[in-house]
Amino acid sequence: DTAVSQTPKYLVTQMGNDKSIKCEQNLGHDTMYWYKQDSKKFLKIMFSYNNKELIINETVPNRFSPKSPDKAHLNLHINSLELGDSAVYFCASSQELTSGDPQHFGDGTRLSIL
Amino acid sequence: AQSVTQLGSHVSVSEGALVLLRCNYSSSVPPYLFWYVQYPNQGLQLLLKYTTGATLVKGINGFEAEFKKSETSFHLTKPSAHMSDAAEYFCAVTSAYGGTSYGKLTFGQGTILTVHP
Repeated sequence: DTAVSQTPKYLVTQMGNDKSIKCEQNLGHDTMYWYKQDSKKFLKIMFSYNNKELIINETVPNRFSPKSPDKAHLNLHINSLELGDSAVYFCASSQELTSGDPQHFGDGTRLSIL
Repeated sequence: AQSVTQLGSHVSVSEGALVLLRCNYSSSVPPYLFWYVQYPNQGLQLLLKYTTGATLVKGINGFEAEFKKSETSFHLTKPSAHMSDAAEYFCAVTSAYGGTSYGKLTFGQGTILTVHP
């Protein structure tokens, strides 16, 4: 049973397209996150939701729009894809939005922009 | 503001040798510290964490780390490396309470560990 699952695992598309990445967690956690890992493996938080409410929004272009239909799901929609969006996107979840709570990560979605 | 510096982007050891991966952090409030491991084409897996209490924390797969406030360090060690330890390791920090960093994990740039037979 996968705890945090992301789909698709690979996404190859052209510049200017719109795409979505889905994330689901079956851990019963209240908080979910999106991270971006660039080509140098640097990981940076993008968004955090707690009980479907946006908590953290790190200076991310508004082409990126997270949506949380319920606390087990956090999807990421990206409009007008650019070359610089090529990266691995990780979804994560934690029990609560408390700093001591470890985050559980999905296996990532590898986005390549042609 | 908080930050993490991992000294050495690549560390190479022989099987059976000591593993030492260095992590220094900067935080304006008391930190919570984490080590994660990432195997190829996989997500991050928690190795261990320090929140409060004992400064020497033990994690999975025989790893441990010691929080040294005076040195702002949280180095990861393992007495004897195994081939299966080859992976990339990330140190991360967040704030223990309040502030703009609350709930946010800030990661170091990662250290790739290679284990030679």
